[in-house]
Amino acid sequence: ETGVTQSPTHLIKTRGQQVTLRCSSQSGHNTVSWYQQALGQGPQFIFQYYREEENGRGNFPPRFSGLQFPNYSSELNVNALELDDSALYLCASSLSGRGSETQYFGPGTRLLVL
Amino acid sequence: AQSVTQLDSHVSVSEGTPVLLRCNYSSSYSPSLFWYVQHPNKGLQLLLKYTSAATLVKGINGFEAEFKKSETSFHLTKPSAHMSDAAEYFCVVSAPFYNQGGKLIFGQGTELSVKP
Repeated sequence: ETGVTQSPTHLIKTRGQQVTLRCSSQSGHNTVSWYQQALGQGPQFIFQYYREEENGRGNFPPRFSGLQFPNYSSELNVNALELDDSALYLCASSLSGRGSETQYFGPGTRLLVL
Repeated sequence: AQSVTQLDSHVSVSEGTPVLLRCNYSSSYSPSLFWYVQHPNKGLQLLLKYTSAATLVKGINGFEAEFKKSETSFHLTKPSAHMSDAAEYFCVVSAPFYNQGGKLIFGQGTELSVKP
């Protein structure tokens, strides 16, 4: 186990709704990255938060947004859900700024949009 | 820019035989390379990591990978497959931290099947 936890484990929403996914990072880590994994594909980078600031963003629209809290936990928010948002959402924590880039993943949240 | 190509979408081996999962990479920087494994309905587990210290990297569960700069390859091997090795394997390259936060770029994955 990596010590990275995510909630909820599963979620069903309808198109147009909003969703918030949560991630608790491994103790001592200051960076959280979020990835979207569609069925049968490799994960795609959404964005990363380092010390409560966004520190890089992938090719995702602005309706994907996030937060990082002082305890380094994080939220991913998705507004105006679309059917294609159905995926496994993974968060990963790491200790950045010290030359260590290994990211440790949580178990994921599986989102189904109907 | 960084990218990875996993040359096989599916590999099938018999239990006790060697495993070879192939990966080629492209990177504008001195790369950090990883192999992650994903068992069904689970998150990603780090198998091993290369960061220029040694070209032959040993990981967990008997896996190892060799970094070959001249061939831009980072193939994953294991001498003897076990039934529990059946899973999806991802070859990954990371951007430097100062470039897009060290984001991970994943290959499409190789599904490993192990036959009794």
